[in-house]
Amino acid sequence: GENVEQHPSTLSVQEGDSAVIKCTYSDSASNYFPWYKQELGKRPQLIIDIRSNVGEKKDQRIAVTLNKTAKHFSLHITETQPEDSAVYFCAEAAGNKLTFGGGTRVLVKP
Amino acid sequence: KAGVTQTPRYLIKTRGQQVTLSCSPISGHRSVSWYQQTPGQGLQFLFEYFSETQRNKGNFPGRFSGRQFSNSRSEMNVSTLELGDSALYLCASSPRQGRSPEQYFGPGTRLTVT
Repeated sequence: GENVEQHPSTLSVQEGDSAVIKCTYSDSASNYFPWYKQELGKRPQLIIDIRSNVGEKKDQRIAVTLNKTAKHFSLHITETQPEDSAVYFCAEAAGNKLTFGGGTRVLVKP
Repeated sequence: KAGVTQTPRYLIKTRGQQVTLSCSPISGHRSVSWYQQTPGQGLQFLFEYFSETQRNKGNFPGRFSGRQFSNSRSEMNVSTLELGDSALYLCASSPRQGRSPEQYFGPGTRLTVT
């Protein structure tokens, strides 16, 4: 079945530094890879996504890369700010069912 | 547009009882998916409804069921509650079924089973 591994589980960075979260997946049929940010007590918020026909996508300070051959994708946050502190989840889908990674708790230290 | 709404936001139930949770998708969205979030198991897919029909189902026991109404609102029901059912139940709405659409989450219902 589908499986998504996410690393690291926790990440502490200094404000202004970059943060990188990596995910690997197993289902060859996966064609959609969203990233969600969940702040404490809040709903998961879709922050960026990428589809299998694209290798990279950028939106201001965040970017995602996808390597379909190796079955891994990554989230890059540049110039981190304290408000970037949250839990980030990667996910994959080949339809309407999302399979999530275990999450990465990101702490940005001022 | 208003976002996804869920009611109730918090619920406390006793083992053996049943519970019904409600989700109203974003206006115009016709697909509703349900997820369970726990510290130990993370985010897990329960089921998805589109056009009042269940289209996809996760690996949960039959005590977990759902339905969708003609206005796309969805409900999920958990019967014979167990302590392990304590979790945040999230629904997500999508504009279509298939072709991996974006999914937008509601605030969730926090269920505590005692």
